[in-house]
Amino acid sequence: GQQVMQIPQYQHVQEGEDFTTYCNSSTTLSNIQWYKQRPGGHPVFLIQLVKSGEVKKQKRLTFQFGEAKKNSSLHITATQTTDVGTYFCAPPDAGGTSYGKLTFGQGTILTVHP
Amino acid sequence: NAGVTQTPKFQVLKTGQSMTLQCAQDMNHEYMSWYRQDPGMGLRLIHYSVGAGITDQGEVPNGYNVSRSTTEDFPLRLLSAAPSQTSVYFCASSRAGWETQYFGPGTRLLVL
Repeated sequence: GQQVMQIPQYQHVQEGEDFTTYCNSSTTLSNIQWYKQRPGGHPVFLIQLVKSGEVKKQKRLTFQFGEAKKNSSLHITATQTTDVGTYFCAPPDAGGTSYGKLTFGQGTILTVHP
Repeated sequence: NAGVTQTPKFQVLKTGQSMTLQCAQDMNHEYMSWYRQDPGMGLRLIHYSVGAGITDQGEVPNGYNVSRSTTEDFPLRLLSAAPSQTSVYFCASSRAGWETQYFGPGTRLLVL
């Protein structure tokens, strides 16, 4: 199945600092999704990237899809305590079928110190 | 719409007991899936279904059974619980496997 490496596994920042998490694949991805999971909660969809070199922004969050479609990143500018949680990248895994299924990276756990 | 619902929220089992984790969605989604989440392991796919009557194994299917008799429901069965199955279980649904996944609130399972 599709394997992605997500780094770092943990990130501790002071409130107001920036944060970036990276998702790397050894194979070309058709697209990639990003999810956020608050502590004690369930994963919630943030965004999907499809095109090579695509950049999308949601307020302080910037998502990028690499030119080769093998990596992606999520950057948060000026973190706030509300940004605390685990961020997952999730590429689809066709697995040789037409159905497709989603696989998830290990996630990056973000802690924000006020 | 309730979205994706899961019951129970918490469960404690003894080794060897069986139980069924319930999952239901009211969004008429064809695709449903079960994940388990363990510290440092991310979300690992257990089983998934692309429609009523069709199921397939994910990454970690051993010890779990599923069936999909209706579009709305996708129960996960533990036939003989083991301590290694202590985890948080999430059910998710979507229109298709590669589209946005909507997760339920999760079931926290402890096997003693």
